[in-house]
Amino acid sequence: GAGVSQSPRYKVAKRGQDVALRCDPISGHVSLFWYQQALGQGPEFLTYFQNEAQLDKSGLPSDRFFAERPEGSVSTLKIQRTQQEDSAVYLCASSLGPLNEQFFGPGTRLTVL
Amino acid sequence: AQSVTQLDSQVPVFEEAPVELRCNYSSSVSVYLFWYVQYPNQGLQLLLKYLSGSTLVKGINGFEAEFNKSQTSFHLRKPSVHISDTAEYFCAVSVSARKTSYDKVIFGPGTSLSVIP
Repeated sequence: GAGVSQSPRYKVAKRGQDVALRCDPISGHVSLFWYQQALGQGPEFLTYFQNEAQLDKSGLPSDRFFAERPEGSVSTLKIQRTQQEDSAVYLCASSLGPLNEQFFGPGTRLTVL
Repeated sequence: AQSVTQLDSQVPVFEEAPVELRCNYSSSVSVYLFWYVQYPNQGLQLLLKYLSGSTLVKGINGFEAEFNKSQTSFHLRKPSVHISDTAEYFCAVSVSARKTSYDKVIFGPGTSLSVIP
């Protein structure tokens, strides 16, 4: 595709529900990143994939957060038992290689009630 | 550890006036520096980046930034702003490629630029 796409663009969840956020990177991009952007803040790194391998998950805030990229293309960020503090915009970015410019998707705005 | 400070959370400026958005960083190792722009309901877009070489970097949309190692700053400037420049601007750093195997980017809190007609 022309750019990084994310779905859904908006998600409202009741506290305790599980959610799954999808990222479609630019075709051929090896590297994929997830960021969390709280209201009024800059994005914060969550996790990094190189192809299907998750090489860094140091930014995941708790064991309720899980990310996967099983075929080295589409990635899913899953949040179990959502809490109000999980409300944020979740950004996905992809790059041709690990040291190349990152291209960002429009984000998924998650609101937990 | 690296960190980024953007002291101005909001900057209002009249159309066609100059603007400077300030950014300071802290790092014990050499870093790459970036400015990103985020328009409402859109993803981040790279404005410009400093990797090495000339300390004055020119980017898209008429923006430029100057890397000052002694002051650990990377301020963003534009001589004449347009209404369309209204957006959120993020300064960011990543550790030199010699230190990591991938580009882990640390973002500042952002500066909201509002251009007044």
